[in-house]
Amino acid sequence: EPEVTQTPSHQVTQMGQEVILRCVPISNHLYFYWYRQILGQKVEFLVSFYNNEISEKSEIFDDQFSVERPDGSNFTLKIRSTKLEDSAMYFCASNRGDLLGWQYFGPGTRLTVT
Amino acid sequence: AQTVTQSQPEMSVQEAETVTLSCTYDTSESDYYLFWYKQPPSRQMILVIRQEAYKQQNATENRFSVNFQKAAKSFSLKISDSQLGDAAMYFCAYRSPLGTGNQFYFGTGTSLTVIP
Repeated sequence: EPEVTQTPSHQVTQMGQEVILRCVPISNHLYFYWYRQILGQKVEFLVSFYNNEISEKSEIFDDQFSVERPDGSNFTLKIRSTKLEDSAMYFCASNRGDLLGWQYFGPGTRLTVT
Repeated sequence: AQTVTQSQPEMSVQEAETVTLSCTYDTSESDYYLFWYKQPPSRQMILVIRQEAYKQQNATENRFSVNFQKAAKSFSLKISDSQLGDAAMYFCAYRSPLGTGNQFYFGTGTSLTVIP
């Protein structure tokens, strides 16, 4: 069964550094998402991406964040200048664009900002 | 924005018994989709079951079933014959069909412990 993959599984970075989290969505899917989950808290929506542009974003997704689909397979989340509070699990998800909106989640990237 | 509430932060069940996890949501939309996701210690999000709001019949997937009460905006998950592998955090999620964003709204989760 096709899967969403994410790399790296764990990223440690210093405050102020830029990080790029990578995702490979399922190949025939059309919608791509990033979510984050701060330890012990609920999963929060960051951004959705469709047809090579952001379709929706939350208030969390400020100017420090950006997303890109640089080629036909990867979907990346960049944090320009990380803060301690960016430490979280980041999940990528995709769906094929059907009405049921069944989102397939990747295994997540644990980001630790020190 | 829609809100999803899970009022039980922790639940426990004896192995082979049945447990019900509750979820309520707030929306003004008439058509939407509801999901239960499981998050084991590995922290991967695994889809357990989904329900379309326009369907009156409750969804069932093997040992997992839901009790969908649209008027009450309630969407509980029943796990029958609980197994040790069911121990995980369970998240209820809501998705609106409108627009292209298709974002999910998640509840705060219920941590389920299965007692051998």
